[in-house]
Amino acid sequence: LAKTTQPISMDSYEGQEVNITCSHNNIATNDYITWYQQFPSQGPRFIIQGYKTKVTNEVASLFIPADRKSSTLSLPRVSLSDTAVYYCLVGAGGYQKVTFGTGTKLQVIP
Amino acid sequence: DTAVSQTPKYLVTQMGNDKSIKCEQNLGHDTMYWYKQDSKKFLKIMFSYNNKELIINETVPNRFSPKSPDKAHLNLHINSLELGDSAVYFCASSHRDRVTEAFFGQGTRLTVV
Repeated sequence: LAKTTQPISMDSYEGQEVNITCSHNNIATNDYITWYQQFPSQGPRFIIQGYKTKVTNEVASLFIPADRKSSTLSLPRVSLSDTAVYYCLVGAGGYQKVTFGTGTKLQVIP
Repeated sequence: DTAVSQTPKYLVTQMGNDKSIKCEQNLGHDTMYWYKQDSKKFLKIMFSYNNKELIINETVPNRFSPKSPDKAHLNLHINSLELGDSAVYFCASSHRDRVTEAFFGQGTRLTVV
């Protein structure tokens, strides 16, 4: 899987929109971009996946520019319960291992 | 209904002991995994099974032996436990062609004393 780079940590106040950017310069043509969320003492949870342009679900939005060398996870109006580590992964299906990077630790402040 | 369940949630044991962690998924997935998360929160894949067949076997000491009796179960047996084995072990599952959309269990916190 292509290597990813994301900020180690971010702080945000409640109610703000948070954008976490991930760089993946070596992304392959058939790779998808996936984001996971991990709360303390829990397993990672899949939150969103995209290939290009924009994807939105009930949890977040994912913005992917045309060159796909980066992606931005957008969390609207964060609350304290959004405090977690967010992991960006790139890859496709089939028999390949899923490699998690260091993740971004988001701390939401009251 | 828990999608991916692991037991036990906590495991404290002495060095040299042998222990097992069990994992079951009820999602109908054909691929299951074991991950290890260390104290620095790095999450690393250890093993991957597809339909009971070992697909990925990362550089893991051979004291770790996965067993998949059927595609809904993947157990992890660890022999001669060492202090460095202390970590959180996560089981996960997915469809083979959607490996990046995995469902994870709650984790097993193993402490070797």
